[in-house]
Order: sequence, then C-alpha cells, then structure tokens
Amino acid sequence: EVQLVESGGGLAQPGGSLRLSCETSGFSFSIFGMSWVRQAPGKGLEWVSGISDSGGSTYDADSVRGRFTISRDNSKNTLYLQMNSLRAEDTAVYYCTKDVSRAITHMDVWGKGTTVTVSS
Amino acid sequence: QSALTQPASVSGSPGQSITISCTGTSSDVGRYPDVSWYQQHPGKAPKLIIFDVSDRPSAASNRFFGSTSGNTASLTISGLQTEDEAHYYCSSYTRSRTLVFGGGTKLIVL
Repeated sequence: EVQLVESGGGLAQPGGSLRLSCETSGFSFSIFGMSWVRQAPGKGLEWVSGISDSGGSTYDADSVRGRFTISRDNSKNTLYLQMNSLRAEDTAVYYCTKDVSRAITHMDVWGKGTTVTVSS
Repeated sequence: QSALTQPASVSGSPGQSITISCTGTSSDVGRYPDVSWYQQHPGKAPKLIIFDVSDRPSAASNRFFGSTSGNTASLTISGLQTEDEAHYYCSSYTRSRTLVFGGGTKLIVL
C-alpha cells in the first residue's frame, strides 16, 4: 500500500522556522516527482513547492519563493520542506503529494496532512 | 501565478449531470494538456479524479469526464449521486514550470 506520512507541523512564531518531513512507503520513491500542497483554514488548495525525481529540479510558488526549500533524500524515501521567515498567512494544513510522473504534473497520492500554525 | 477561475458552487439533483468550469490563460490551461481535477470531502485529503485533461485513474468513477476548449477546462459529472457532494478543484501546469489550482467549487446535490 502506498503511504505518505507527514510530520513536523506545529506552532511557530512569525519569523520563525519549521521543517516538515514526509516519510513514504509502498512505491519506488526515487522515480516520481513530489510536491507540497497547503490549505489554509476554510480555504482552497494552494500548490507550494515541487521537486523532480532526482531532486535536481525544484519549483516554488511565488508566495514562498526565497523562504521555503523543498528537498528529498531518495536513500530514506523521505521528502522535506524547510520553512523559514514564517508568516501568519502560512498557517495551513500541509499535504505531501506524489506525482504520476518524474516531474510535477498531477498528484495521485496525498498524505493526511500536518498542521502548521504561525502565531505569536 | 493567479489562481484558475472556478464557480463558487454548482448544484444538481440525483441522476442529473453537472459541469464545472475552470478558466485559465494561454500560459496554463490553454498551453499544456496537464490539467487535473481533484475531489475533496470535508476533513479529508483531496483525491485525483481526472489527469491529462480527460484520463481517469483506475479508482475513479467512470461518471467523471474531463475536457478542454481554449483556456477553459471542464469537469462533467453524470448520474449525480449524493456521495458526489464535495469540493472540486482543477489544476494546471504553467509556463513558469509551476502548478496552479482553481479556487474550488462546492457541488451541492439537492
């Protein structure tokens, strides 16, 4: 069974940092692109960052570029999101997603999400 | 990276068909065949129901149909069932090599 399990969410102060992790199992992690998608309370989905299968290419939404960094460790089947300079508007449920291809196109598997709250 | 435009809500009765539109630009929906649709029930993670404009994952219902025309993608759900009541989101690859979602549409089954 394909599984994505996020962790690392919690409460952070404005300007602070958090590192999200996504442990995966049940598929060949190293041959698929991965993304992080977030959903603010009561709002719609927002794609945040994506990474190619090898990790050689990364892509970010304008709203997080320069503050968030996506990475992966194919030896550990794990995806990461380093979040710095956090703002109140970063408060959301963050979903780890698996792509159908080596790049970022369509997300066919989603984790249950981890909640990030940015507040003083 | 402006969000794709979807109607806030649509409604239909059981057995009817409904269509949800998703309007983008020539830099996303109108440029690439990488349009997908996701269904999200309250408190649950989204689920992929259409990819590559009109393909269905094996687990998705065959009552879901996707299409595009110009800068607009559409999701049609035929034979509405009560369990179809959910939020639906479109997504597209963009010229900036990113992904963008629509604002979401709440489907109400009357």
